[in-house]
Amino acid sequence: AQTVTQSQPEMSVQEAETVTLSCTYDTSESDYYLFWYKQPPSRQMILVIRQEAYKQQNATENRFSVNFQKAAKSFSLKISDSQLGDAAMYFCAYRSRVRVEYGNKLVFGAGTILRVKS
Amino acid sequence: EPEVTQTPSHQVTQMGQEVILRCVPISNHLYFYWYRQILGQKVEFLVSFYNNEISEKSEIFDDQFSVERPDGSNFTLKIRSTKLEDSAMYFCASSEAVGWGVSTDTQYFGPGTRLTVL
Repeated sequence: AQTVTQSQPEMSVQEAETVTLSCTYDTSESDYYLFWYKQPPSRQMILVIRQEAYKQQNATENRFSVNFQKAAKSFSLKISDSQLGDAAMYFCAYRSRVRVEYGNKLVFGAGTILRVKS
Repeated sequence: EPEVTQTPSHQVTQMGQEVILRCVPISNHLYFYWYRQILGQKVEFLVSFYNNEISEKSEIFDDQFSVERPDGSNFTLKIRSTKLEDSAMYFCASSEAVGWGVSTDTQYFGPGTRLTVL
C-alpha cells in the first residue's frame, strides 16, 4: 500500500517570503500522480498543483512550484512571495495510475499547517 | 466554473439515527468519491463509484455505509446507524472519464458536510 508522509506539522513564513513544504511517499509503482491540496479554515479542499510521475519537468502554477525527486520519492511544494491568503493546511496526496479504470483513490498525508505572518 | 456541491453544510444527529449526505458532482463527471476527515486528522478515502456500482472501498466503509446515485445528478452517502466516531467532515469528489472506464487524474472536491453525532 502507498503511504504519504508530511514531516512538518506546522510551518511559518513572513509575508512576501518563500517557504517550502516537504512531502515524501512510499510506493512500488512507477506511474502515478502527486498533488498538493490547500485546506483553508473553511475546510474546503482546493487543488493547488499536480505532477505526473512520468514527467521530469517540475510543475508550476504561478507562485506555487514543486520539486519532484522521483528516485528519492520526494515531492516538496515551494510557495514564493507568500501572501496572507496562503495561510491554510496543506495536504500532499498520491494517486496510482496503475488501475486508473477504477478511478483510483487519493492517499493523503497528515498535512502541514502554514501560518503567514504580516 | 463548474463545482461540486454538498448539502447540508452541517448535520447534527443523535447516535443510532440514519443520515443521508448529498452531493451533486460536476455534470460531465462519471467517477464519484467520498472521503472523510475527523477533526485534526488526515483525509481518508471511503469509497469510489463508477457506472452505478462501487469500484473500490476502504476498511472504514463497512455495512453501515452505503452509496447511491438515485438520479442523474445526485450522489448520496447513507450512514444507517450513526456512532459517535462517525463525527467528521465528509467530502464528496468527482472526476471526469476520458474514455470508457478511464478517469482523469484530478478529483474536484465539494465544500464538505460536517457531521456531528451526539
